[in-house]
Amino acid sequence: ETGVTQTPRHLVMGMTNKKSLKCEQHLGHNAMYWYKQSAKKPLELMFVYNFKEQTENNSVPSRFSPECPNSSHLFLHLHTLQPEDSALYLCASSQADRNEETQYFGPGTRLLVL
Amino acid sequence: TQLLEQSPQFLSIQEGENLTVYCNSSSVFSSLQWYRQEPGEGPVLLVTVVTGGEVKKLKRLTFQFGDARKDSSLHITAAQTGDTGLYLCAGALDSNYQLIWGAGTKLIIKP
Repeated sequence: ETGVTQTPRHLVMGMTNKKSLKCEQHLGHNAMYWYKQSAKKPLELMFVYNFKEQTENNSVPSRFSPECPNSSHLFLHLHTLQPEDSALYLCASSQADRNEETQYFGPGTRLLVL
Repeated sequence: TQLLEQSPQFLSIQEGENLTVYCNSSSVFSSLQWYRQEPGEGPVLLVTVVTGGEVKKLKRLTFQFGDARKDSSLHITAAQTGDTGLYLCAGALDSNYQLIWGAGTKLIIKP
């Protein structure tokens, strides 16, 4: 138990569906991250929120839309995804203002786009 | 683009053997972290190395940070089946708190 939870754990969706991934951290951290993990590739940083403000958007397609309503919750809204978006989506948190790089990860959402 | 290259990508050995995995870059990092990820879970931090030449031990795992802080190695002595997993290295830059990730070494320890 890392203190970061993600739901759902598994998701199958069609290309025309709209779904949302949820992440919650119970560690009192002020930075939250969305990563995409594909086989044999480095973790791809998608979005970073620091103090609830989005500070990074690494050229992620607009079919992925993040939302951070407060420092404990992070969402990733999905719509009109493509099969190549199938991957493990990981949420992480850290305490950025102490220059603490350690990131605490949730278990991920395994996404399959048909 | 900063890159962290991990080798080997995949390693399958018998229980009781020793192994070393590597993490290399042309970038200088302020610190480097090793994570282990088990199937169905997210990565979990094993260790952080900060000083060039630093060696840290975690039971049968020995982590070393290169003198120039560009590379690192993880050595496992007398591997056990419980060591099976994906080992990821991640480097931190002075400029910000975000991490540069390697692609990982998938390790399988056979009984």
